[in-house]
Amino acid sequence: TQLLEQSPQFLSIQEGENLTVYCNSSSVFSSLQWYRQEPGEGPVLLVTVVTGGEVKKLKRLTFQFGDARKDSSLHITAAQPGDTGLYLCAGADGGFKTIFGAGTRLFVKA
Amino acid sequence: EAQVTQNPRYLITVTGKKLTVTCSQNMNHEYMSWYRQDPGLGLRQIYYSMNVEVTDKGDVPEGYKVSRKEKRNFPLILESPSPNQTSLYFCASSLNSGHISSGANVLTFGAGSRLTVL
Repeated sequence: TQLLEQSPQFLSIQEGENLTVYCNSSSVFSSLQWYRQEPGEGPVLLVTVVTGGEVKKLKRLTFQFGDARKDSSLHITAAQPGDTGLYLCAGADGGFKTIFGAGTRLFVKA
Repeated sequence: EAQVTQNPRYLITVTGKKLTVTCSQNMNHEYMSWYRQDPGLGLRQIYYSMNVEVTDKGDVPEGYKVSRKEKRNFPLILESPSPNQTSLYFCASSLNSGHISSGANVLTFGAGSRLTVL
């Protein structure tokens, strides 16, 4: 069974700090996605990475896919209260099954 | 607006009383899926459907049924709900074919249905 482990599970930081969230697996994924979920809503896609070593930037968010396509990281620079939410990584197995990590709950204090 | 619509958004019911959570998407997506979200466990797949009349079990299918008679609809049926099915449920859809850069495998989620079984 493929598993995705996210760390940390919970993160509370001050506005302006930097942070990194990790998503790790022993399995290889054909692609990996990051979603953000806010209370009362469904997850919303932030980014998809498909190539080992790929780095994508979305404003203050930087996403990296590991060279072996088994892990990924999300780095947020100068976090803002609007970044507060649940961040989920999700891996596709090459078919159409998507496996989700348990999520990292981020709280950014003003 | 492209969206996935779930109903009801909130439901409190009692053990054994059959219920259906509806899901409809207006994006002509072939793939649809149901997930449940529980604290510390993330999103776990219940059932999915690759296209009309094609459904398959996910990781936690026990106690649930689904049907896919039309492309846009994918209802989740709990024939005899039990308290361990108390959870937050999400329906999602995506394109089935094409490269991921064109949107294949990218899930669009509904807003969720919070179910409590007493």
